[in-house]
Amino acid sequence: GESVGLHLPTLSVQEGDNSIINCAYSNSASDYFIWYKQESGKGPQFIIDIRSNMDKRQGQRVTVLLNKTVKHLSLQIAATQPGDSAVYFCAENGNNRLAFGKGNQVVVIP
Amino acid sequence: DVKVTQSSRYLVKRTGEKVFLECVQDMDHENMFWYRQDPGLGLRLIYFSYDVKMKEKGDIPEGYSVSREKKERFSLILESASTNQTSMYLCASNTGTGFRGANVLTFGAGSRLTVL
Repeated sequence: GESVGLHLPTLSVQEGDNSIINCAYSNSASDYFIWYKQESGKGPQFIIDIRSNMDKRQGQRVTVLLNKTVKHLSLQIAATQPGDSAVYFCAENGNNRLAFGKGNQVVVIP
Repeated sequence: DVKVTQSSRYLVKRTGEKVFLECVQDMDHENMFWYRQDPGLGLRLIYFSYDVKMKEKGDIPEGYSVSREKKERFSLILESASTNQTSMYLCASNTGTGFRGANVLTFGAGSRLTVL
C-alpha cells in the first residue's frame, strides 16, 4: 500500500543552527500535508500545513517545502532551540484519512 | 486550555481484563479518532467516528471497539486485553464534514497502557 515515510531516524543539531527534516510520500493523490511535533510525554501538536497547490509555506521559524514532482516534503526550522527537541511527523491526506510517517527524532545540542 | 482530554495517562492491566479509554473534546468537533503509537510503526488508526453513534474501522480495528454516545466523548474499549495491546493510545478530533481527513487533528496527551 502507499505510505508516508521519513529518511532519517535521528537528527542532531547544534543550538542556533537550522534543521531540515525530510519526508517522502508515495500517494500522488494526496493534496494536503501536515507537520506535527511531539515532545516527550505529550501528544502530537500541529506545526504547519500545506496544500498541494503550493510549494512553500512559512510560519514562525518554520518553513515547509513541497516538491510534488519527486513527492518530497521537508520542514525547515530556523535557529533551532532546545525546545525544538522532539519527534517530528509528517502526515499526508489521501484516501479520506491522514497517513502518518514513522517520526524523526530531533536532538538539539546546547 | 486543554481541548482533547484523555482520562487516564497511565494504566496497567492484566491479560483478559476489559479496558476503557475515555476521551473528551470541548471544541464541538464532529470527528473523533483513536490511534495507537508504537516505536518504529508510527501512528496507526484504530477507529474513528464522524457523528454520534457512528463509527468506522480504521487500519487496525481487531481487538478493539468504540462507543460514541455523545458528540464530545469517544471511548475505546478493549474487550479482553492482550499483551500485544501494550501501547500508547492517542485520541484526536477535527471538524468538518465531507472530506473529513482534510482538517488538522488536535490530539490528546495520550494514554500509555501496559498489559501484563
